[in-house]
Amino acid sequence: DQQVKQNSPSLSVQEGRISILNCDYTNSMFDYFLWYKKYPAEGPTFLISISSIKDKNEDGRFTVFLNKSAKHLSLHIVPSQPGDSAVYFCAASATGNQFYFGTGTSLTVIP
Amino acid sequence: GAGVSQSPSNKVTEKGKDVELRCDPISGHTALYWYRQSLGQGLEFLIYFQGNSAPDKSGLPSDRFSAERTGGSVSTLTIQRTQQEDSAVYLCASSRDGSYEQYFGPGTRLTVT
Repeated sequence: DQQVKQNSPSLSVQEGRISILNCDYTNSMFDYFLWYKKYPAEGPTFLISISSIKDKNEDGRFTVFLNKSAKHLSLHIVPSQPGDSAVYFCAASATGNQFYFGTGTSLTVIP
Repeated sequence: GAGVSQSPSNKVTEKGKDVELRCDPISGHTALYWYRQSLGQGLEFLIYFQGNSAPDKSGLPSDRFSAERTGGSVSTLTIQRTQQEDSAVYLCASSRDGSYEQYFGPGTRLTVT
């Protein structure tokens, strides 16, 4: 039972444009959400997070939006750069013990 | 400083054999997680260690899987009588006390033939 879903396995965006990666979850008890970025043959690296008391968190070119009523979060990257090309995973937790990850979205930024 | 390290990076084993995978977390990180990623899947939680507390083993898929963490640092994930469906990348992560941000190692790619 997939509690965190990333329904788009891939996304292509032109350099300089906005990339929007989406994530849906089913468990209303989740209270902390994270985005990770993964390059081939490497482990995921932490990108940005948001707690359920907020609906937006921004860090440079990266912004995460949380819509609790829709159980939906999104990651916006603007402007997109070729170095952003990677697989992006969203993750959610209710307890801080178990983290549930999505299946990832592969982003390609075209120069 | 040094990040999370895992060994071996690749392991090929025959069905039915036992394997041990090692994780060295970042020094001072009290929490340690094991995940696995099968082809085309997301990261699947396996087990979580926090300090001296009893580990959360709720993600282990069967009793063939076990893990220990010695001295609050290095962890070993053991898979007994490996099966072909155990083939995956096994990832270890650690985090500071009170932080949700996990730092991942590069993973061990396990192939069971």
